[in-house]
Amino acid sequence: AQKVTQAQTEISVVEKEDVTLDCVYETRDTTYYLFWYKQPPSGELVFLIRRNSFDEQNEISGRYSWNFQKSTSSFNFTITASQVVDSAVYFCALPVDSSYKLIFGSGTRLLVRP
Amino acid sequence: GAGVSQSPSNKVTEKGKDVELRCDPISGHTALYWYRQSLGQGLEFLIYFQGNSAPDKSGLPSDRFSAERTGGSVSTLTIQRTQQEDSAVYLCASSHSGLGYTFGSGTRLTVV
Repeated sequence: AQKVTQAQTEISVVEKEDVTLDCVYETRDTTYYLFWYKQPPSGELVFLIRRNSFDEQNEISGRYSWNFQKSTSSFNFTITASQVVDSAVYFCALPVDSSYKLIFGSGTRLLVRP
Repeated sequence: GAGVSQSPSNKVTEKGKDVELRCDPISGHTALYWYRQSLGQGLEFLIYFQGNSAPDKSGLPSDRFSAERTGGSVSTLTIQRTQQEDSAVYLCASSHSGLGYTFGSGTRLTVV
């Protein structure tokens, strides 16, 4: 069965620290996508990244980077030099059976303190 | 519109009453999804509309839940005879194709 596990319930860091959010997944699909979303206090889920399982290259976008390792079924997200505005709940997600339905992890609440 | 719009943003209702939640997707997006976010269950898929195809209702938790999408655009999620366990944030998303979701800000439903 498909499953997404975000073991870190809550992380608290001081501004400018680097922080890594873990995501481990299970899927029976041979090709699949993985997603990260950010949910700030306003409640809206903001798309951050979509990664195809074919592409294991790490991706960097500004202060954000993603480490996809198919061998360990992990898709971890790192924020470098964190800022207070990064405070949010972050969700990792995976489509069910190559469909349009996403299953989400339980989320990691990140608090960045000034 | 520029984004997915949901109304109302907050709704408090008495147990047993019916409620309607509205979603205005991004113009031109053919796919529309409803998800529910609750404390105990996380984010759950409810229903999916794609163009004129029959909707995928496999995530609806009971027959008290129904949804319509009129004219391939606006969608309404209706919950009949609300129960306290229906209290949650109901999120709508739309996409032009497949998995490029854009979510709305949600409707926070509280059943008292």
